[in-house]
Amino acid sequence: DQQVKQNSPSLSVQEGRISILNCDYTNSMFDYFLWYKKYPAEGPTFLISISSIKDKNEDGRFTVFLNKSAKHLSLHIVPSQPGDSAVYFCAASPYFVDSNYQLIWGAGTKLIIKP
Amino acid sequence: DADVTQTPRNRITKTGKRIMLECSQTKGHDRMYWYRQDPGLGLRLIYYSFDVKDINKGEISDGYSVSRQAQAKFSLSLESAIPNQTALYFCATSDRGLAGGETQYFGPGTRLLVL
Repeated sequence: DQQVKQNSPSLSVQEGRISILNCDYTNSMFDYFLWYKKYPAEGPTFLISISSIKDKNEDGRFTVFLNKSAKHLSLHIVPSQPGDSAVYFCAASPYFVDSNYQLIWGAGTKLIIKP
Repeated sequence: DADVTQTPRNRITKTGKRIMLECSQTKGHDRMYWYRQDPGLGLRLIYYSFDVKDINKGEISDGYSVSRQAQAKFSLSLESAIPNQTALYFCATSDRGLAGGETQYFGPGTRLLVL
C-alpha cells in the first residue's frame, strides 16, 4: 500500500519550458511534504518543502503547490534547465516529529530536459 | 568535505557473508537513518536512531542490524547477506525537529551486490 505515489516514472521537457512533477498521497495524517532531487551516484538533496498550512511555496525557479482536499502536490520548475535533469522524489510525514516519525517516499520521477 | 560520508561506496559480496556499511557525519545532528532504494520503490527506511541510546526499527528491518557507536557514526550490518538485499543503501541525518518540518541530509550511497 503506497502512501505516497508518483505515477509518472519519467518526464521529458524542452529546455526553457515548464516542468510539472506530480505526487499523490493517501494518509490524511501527512501535513509536511518535501521534494528531493537526486543525481546519479549521489544521495538525494533537499529541494523545497511545504506544510499543510500553506497551499504554495516558492523558491526561485521552484514552486510547490499543495491541494489538501485532493491529497495532491506538484512541483513546478520554470524555466527548465539542463541541470534539472535528475530523479525527483516526493516525501511526506506528519509535521511534528516524535519517536514514531517516519518520512514516507514516493518512487521518484526521472526528469529529462531536452536541449 | 562531505557532511555525510558512507563507506564503502561499492561492495560485492557472496550469499551468507557478513558485511558492514558505515556512515559518518560532521553536521552535529542527533538523528541518523538507514534507507535502501530499489528500482521503482523509492526509499524505504531500515533503521533510525534519534540519539546514541535510541535505536528504532523501520519499515524493512528484517535481516539487518545497526550500531550507533557515537553521535557521528551509525553502521548497518547484514549478518548473513542474501541476493534480495542487493540495493542502493543511503545513510541520512537530521537535526532535532523542535519546530517540526524536519529535513534529512543524505550521504552519497553504497551500492551493494550480493551474489
